[in-house]
This record gives sequence, structure tokens and C-alpha cells, in this order.
Amino acid sequence: EVQLVESGGGLVKPGGSLRLSCAASGFTFNFYNMHWVRQAPGKGLEWVSSISNTGSYIYYGDSMKGRFTISRDNAKNSLYLQMNSLRAEDTAVYYCARRADDSPHLDYWGQGTLVTVSS
Amino acid sequence: NFVLTQPHSVSESPGKTVTISCTRSSGSIASDYVQWYQQRPGSAPTTVIYEDNKRPSGVPGRFSGSIDSSSNSASLIISGVKTDDEADYYCHSYDGSDHWVFGGGTRLTVL
Repeated sequence: EVQLVESGGGLVKPGGSLRLSCAASGFTFNFYNMHWVRQAPGKGLEWVSSISNTGSYIYYGDSMKGRFTISRDNAKNSLYLQMNSLRAEDTAVYYCARRADDSPHLDYWGQGTLVTVSS
Repeated sequence: NFVLTQPHSVSESPGKTVTISCTRSSGSIASDYVQWYQQRPGSAPTTVIYEDNKRPSGVPGRFSGSIDSSSNSASLIISGVKTDDEADYYCHSYDGSDHWVFGGGTRLTVL
């Protein structure tokens, strides 16, 4: 059974940093591209970042560039999101999701981890 | 970058057909696949349509997708809508550089 379990969310002050993790199981992690998607409270989905299966290709949403860093450790079946210079508008549930094999959709999602940026 | 615009909400009676639109602001809607996700309250999204009009296994045939180049838009069509279909629906596409974009979401109410 495919499972994606996010962790690392919490309360952080504006300007602070946080590192999210996503533990993957039930599939061959190093075969798949992975994504982070976030959802502010009561708002819609916003794409955050993606990383190819080998880590060679990385992309970011415009509002995250220069502040967020996506990475992965295929030996540990884990995906990460390092978030720096956090702002109140970064408050959201952050989902880890798997891109389907050879298709541009996200076929499995984690349950999400809440990040709250507030003083 | 482009924007995907969806109606904020739609409502329909059980058994009817409902259509949710998704209009791309720039670039051709036909140049990159469109996906649709369903999200129920408190849950992560799930795919109901991918690659414009394909259904993942387990998604009822009542769900279909289409593309209209003349209006540069995609549509999610739910026929015989049920109260269980009440949810938020998001369209998604991307540009050639793998920059992904989600629509703002549409709240479906089945009265």
C-alpha cells in the first residue's frame, strides 16, 4: 500500500525556518518524481515545488523561489522541504504527493502537515 | 505563467448533469494536459480526471473531461450527480517547463 507521511509542521515566527519531511513507503521511491502542494486555511491548492526521481530536475512556484529548497534522499525513501524566511502567507497545510508514472497528475497524497507562521 | 480560472461555486439537483469550467489565461489549453482533482472536507485531493479525459480506476463513469480550444477552456462533467459528489474540484495544468498551476477551485453543492 502506498503511503506518504508528512512531518515537521508547527508554529514558527515570521522570518523563521522549518524543514518538512515526507516518509514514503509501499512503492519504489526512486522511480517517481515528487511534489509539494500547499493549501492555506479555507483556500485553494497551490503548487509549491517538484523534484525528479534522481533529484536532477527541480522546479518551484514563483512565490517560493529563493526561500524554499526541495530535496530527497532515495536511500531513506524521504522527501524534504526546507523553508526559510517564512511569512504569514506561508501558513498552510503542506502536502507531499507522488507524480504518477509517465502522467502529469498526482496519484497519491499524504495527509498533510500544518505550518503556521505567526508571532 | 498562466492562470486557470474556475467558477467559485456551482450547484445542481441530484440526478442532473453539472459542468465545471476551467479557462486558461494564456497559451493553448490543448498544449498541456488538464487534470481534475476532487477534495472532500478534511481530506487530501484525489484525481478524478487526468490527461484531459481519462479516469483513474475506481472513478465512476459519470465523471468525464473535455477540452474546448475555441474558448481555451477545459470542463469537468458530472452526469447523474449525487449528494456524495459534493466537494471542491480543482483543475490543474502545467507549462512546458514543468511549472504546475492549479485553478482556484469550485465548490459543488448538490441540493
